[in-house]
This record gives sequence, structure tokens and C-alpha cells, in this order.
Amino acid sequence: KAGVTQTPRYLIKTRGQQVTLSCSPISGHRSVSWYQQTPGQGLQFLFEYFSETQRNKGNFPGRFSGRQFSNSRSEMNVSTLELGDSALYLCASSLTTGANVLTFGAGSRLTVL
Amino acid sequence: AQSVTQLGSHVSVSEGALVLLRCNYSSSVPPYLFWYVQYPNQGLQLLLKYTSAATLVKGINGFEAEFKKSETSFHLTKPSAHMSDAAEYFCAVKTNTGNQFYFGTGTSLTVIP
Repeated sequence: KAGVTQTPRYLIKTRGQQVTLSCSPISGHRSVSWYQQTPGQGLQFLFEYFSETQRNKGNFPGRFSGRQFSNSRSEMNVSTLELGDSALYLCASSLTTGANVLTFGAGSRLTVL
Repeated sequence: AQSVTQLGSHVSVSEGALVLLRCNYSSSVPPYLFWYVQYPNQGLQLLLKYTSAATLVKGINGFEAEFKKSETSFHLTKPSAHMSDAAEYFCAVKTNTGNQFYFGTGTSLTVIP
């Protein structure tokens, strides 16, 4: 059974650009959550999608957005990139919203120059 | 609101020594508690979870944690450290009614040969 797949694994952007990250959940999982991981800050919750609807949102500016498709795959977008957006972006899937088990992907490491 | 505090961002132990990673939580309702491990260039992997059953929880790779309500703690232990235990460890809390996980800032474990 394939795990959570995140693409791309590594990417470099410059300030002002935008970026789109993709997450394919485990087959059968319908909930996808996104986290930003930075040194010293740990994991900060971005948002959760279930059945193509955003169910929960963390405290991030509107430059961070996401969506979920009918096959449960999810994308997140960051517009007008800032240096502080450099981080590891982790996606986690679960069977349903509110589930007590999250399965994480390996992450997409974004570097903003 | 829920939050997690991990005492000690870096812990070093000798191979064969006891591993103790500290986690204290804050929750207004009975919590679910988790420990995740992250190896370099990988996502987070669930070590163990407490969901209101037995207070002493056994996980993978010989780790265990004890839920102590009076101390609002969920410390992670392993009797004998192995070189392969070197990784980043995250404690997380979630309520039984909420959808969001709250993670600590992580503890980096170094095992000295």
C-alpha cells in the first residue's frame, strides 16, 4: 500500500514568486492536513481538507491557500514568497476528519532566496 | 486551547543508557497524546498514542510513555538507547472532539557510541 506522496521533494524559489506543492494521500484516506516545519518552531498547522472542503485553518496569512480534488489529492499554494517561508512542508492523511492517526509524507523542502 | 511543551530541544545519551524525553501538555478537555519520530529527510512516524485507555502506552522500537494527569505529562522513555534511535521526536496533543493536532517544538536525540 503506497504511503503519502509529496511532490516535489525539494525546490528553490526567489522572493515574490509563487509555489504549488502536491500531496497524494494513502488510498482510501479522505482527509489531508498540511503543516509547516521550521527549526525551533516545530510543526505549525496550516489547514485541513476533507471531501474537497477546508475544515480547519491555522494562523497563516492569506498567501497560503490550498485545495482538495475529488480523488482526495491536495495542493497547497504560497503566493508572493518571502524568505521566512523557507521550510519543510509536510502533508498528512487520515481516513476521515478528526481521526486520531495521521500518516505523514516525507515533505517538500522549500528554499526561498 | 491545547498546547505542548517539550523540555530540552537537544538530548544526548550514551548507547545503552536510558532515554527520557519530556512532554507536558495543556488541555481544557481530556486529551489524546502522541509521540512521533522523524528521521533525517523523512516525514513523521507514529511511535505511540494515548487515547484514554491504559495510562502506560507501549510503542514501536521499545519506546513507551506514561500519561500522568496530575502532572499533565506524557514523557517518552526507552530503557536502553540504540544508535538507530538518533532522530527528532515530537509530542502532540489532540482533543477527542477536535480535528487539529498541536505539536511541540521537538527534541533532537543524539546517541553517543
